[in-house]
Amino acid sequence: DAMVIQNPRYQVTQFGKPVTLSCSQTLNHNVMYWYQQKSSQAPKLLFHYYDKDFNNEADTPDNFQSRRPNTSFCFLDIRSPGLGDAAMYLCATSTRLSYEQYFGPGTRLTVT
Amino acid sequence: SQQGEEDPQALSIQEGENATMNCSYKTSINNLQWYRQNSGRGLVHLILIRSNEREKHSGRLRVTLDTSKKSSSLLITASRAADTASYFCATGYNKLIFGAGTRLAVHP
Repeated sequence: DAMVIQNPRYQVTQFGKPVTLSCSQTLNHNVMYWYQQKSSQAPKLLFHYYDKDFNNEADTPDNFQSRRPNTSFCFLDIRSPGLGDAAMYLCATSTRLSYEQYFGPGTRLTVT
Repeated sequence: SQQGEEDPQALSIQEGENATMNCSYKTSINNLQWYRQNSGRGLVHLILIRSNEREKHSGRLRVTLDTSKKSSSLLITASRAADTASYFCATGYNKLIFGAGTRLAVHP
């Protein structure tokens, strides 16, 4: 089945230690998104790609970066995680012409 | 920033009862979507209603949209324990902005 896959599902990192979360998709969608969702809150868009064109949200901290080496894969890099970065990180995809987004299961990040 | 608010924040009902969740938004929209999120999981798209539609049905789901009041409601009829989840409304094209969500608990 076509899907959005996120690895790992759970990630523990130390304060200040860089961490990378990954997302892959078999849907061949040209738009990919990263959302941050803190406990009991709504998902908040960090950035998204139209194909290789990167679009950063104005309030996304510089500590967060992303790479999309090809259509299928997208990475979220947190350069120096702080305790406030502990959250669920959700990857999603869509086509340019569709409003509906397809979400992966998320990666829960814990910062110790 | 969040587009709007949802109420109630939490809803607890018995199986077989109907559940109604409301969403308000702030800006003009082309469409509004509803998503479900099971605990600790990703979101699943439920239904989309366009700004020129007033009501839409999908199985046990009924969505209404009132653009004059900038509000939408999601009705789940004959609820089941498996409907236990958080429900979010979202607006936008590509860049979705989510409401705060309603946590629904359906008890057997």
